[in-house]
Order: sequence, then C-alpha cells, then structure tokens
Amino acid sequence: DSGVTQTPKHLITATGQRVTLRCSPRSGDLSVYWYQQSLDQGLQFLIQYYNGEERAKGNILERFSAQQFPDLHSELNLSSLELGDSALYFCASSVSGAPGNTIYFGEGSWLTVV
Amino acid sequence: GQQVMQIPQYQHVQEGEDFTTYCNSSTTLSNIQWYKQRPGGHPVFLIQLVKSGEVKKQKRLTFQFGEAKKNSSLHITATQTTDVGTYFCAGRIGTASKLTFGTGTRLQVTL
Repeated sequence: DSGVTQTPKHLITATGQRVTLRCSPRSGDLSVYWYQQSLDQGLQFLIQYYNGEERAKGNILERFSAQQFPDLHSELNLSSLELGDSALYFCASSVSGAPGNTIYFGEGSWLTVV
Repeated sequence: GQQVMQIPQYQHVQEGEDFTTYCNSSTTLSNIQWYKQRPGGHPVFLIQLVKSGEVKKQKRLTFQFGEAKKNSSLHITATQTTDVGTYFCAGRIGTASKLTFGTGTRLQVTL
C-alpha cells in the first residue's frame, strides 16, 4: 500500500459525458501528479500540482482539467469523453515535487468510455 | 520534446536466465528512477540514480547510469517468476519537476 488513495477504482461512462477522478496523496506529501496509461502506451504525464498550485503540465487535453485543494487532495476532471479516453489514470504524490523525490503511485482509476 | 525510449519492448525468458533493459534519453537527465509495474498493478519505485556512471545493486538487480547521463540500464541476474512485470525508467531534466517515463519493457518469465 503506497498510501495514495484513488477513487473510483472502476468507472464506465458514455461518450460525451463528464467524470471526476479523486486522489488523496500520502500523508505529508504536498505534490500530486496525474498520469494516463492506455493499453498500448506507457505512462503519459498529464499534470502536477504542488501545495495547490500547478507546477508542471504535460500532454493534458483541453477537455481535461485538474486542481489541488487546500487539504491537498486532487481531482482530475475529464469532459466530453471520447472512446480514446479509456485508460487507467494514476495519481501519484511526492513530498515536495523536487527532482530527487520518489513518486508514490495510487492503484489507479480504470475509466472505460462506451 | 524530451523522449525516453526503452528497449526491448518485450522480453520472454526462462527462469534462471538473465535480463537487461536499456533506457535512452534524447537529452541529459539530472537523475533517473526505475519503477516496476506488476500485471494489473501500479508502478512501484525501485531506485534512483543521480551521479554520472553510478551503479547500484539490489539483490539480483543491478542499475547503471551512463557517463553522459543520457542512458541507463537495469540488469536482472537469474530471473525468477516474481520478476514478471513491466519495468519503466523515468528521468528528469535539470530542476524540472516533471518526470518523464520511458516506454517500458515488459518481462515475462516462464519455468
């Protein structure tokens, strides 16, 4: 158990819909990351937050948005969903987001768009 | 943009054989980390390398960071079925906090 909690574990939704994925980082970690993993793709970095502020942005679509709240939990919002958005979405956290930090991954949220 | 490639993409070995995965970056990395993802699981941190030419060992696993800090390798001696999974390298450029993962190498071990 990494200490990173993600909900829901599984989600099935229709195209065009909107979903919210939630993440609670490890106790004491200030930085949260979101990654997308498709079947034939590696881990694609989406976005990183540190203490409520956006720290780094990756290949995140405009239909997707995220935020980190004062209590440090984070949400990833996916809207106007397409079939190609079906993937495993990982949240991860680290102490401060500094280059030397270890990143701890949650168990992921499986999103299936039908 | 920065790319981190791993080879091979997939390797199937018999238990007891050795295995090596190679990680190559298009740009110099400030550090490199290795993760293992078991089938159906999430990536788990294995190790971090920071210095040029650094070599670290964890039991049967040997990790190496290249002299130019643009490549790395993970070698497993005498594989076991518990080694099955996908191994990812991940690197950072300079002081950037973004961690870019490699394409991964999936290892299958059979008896």
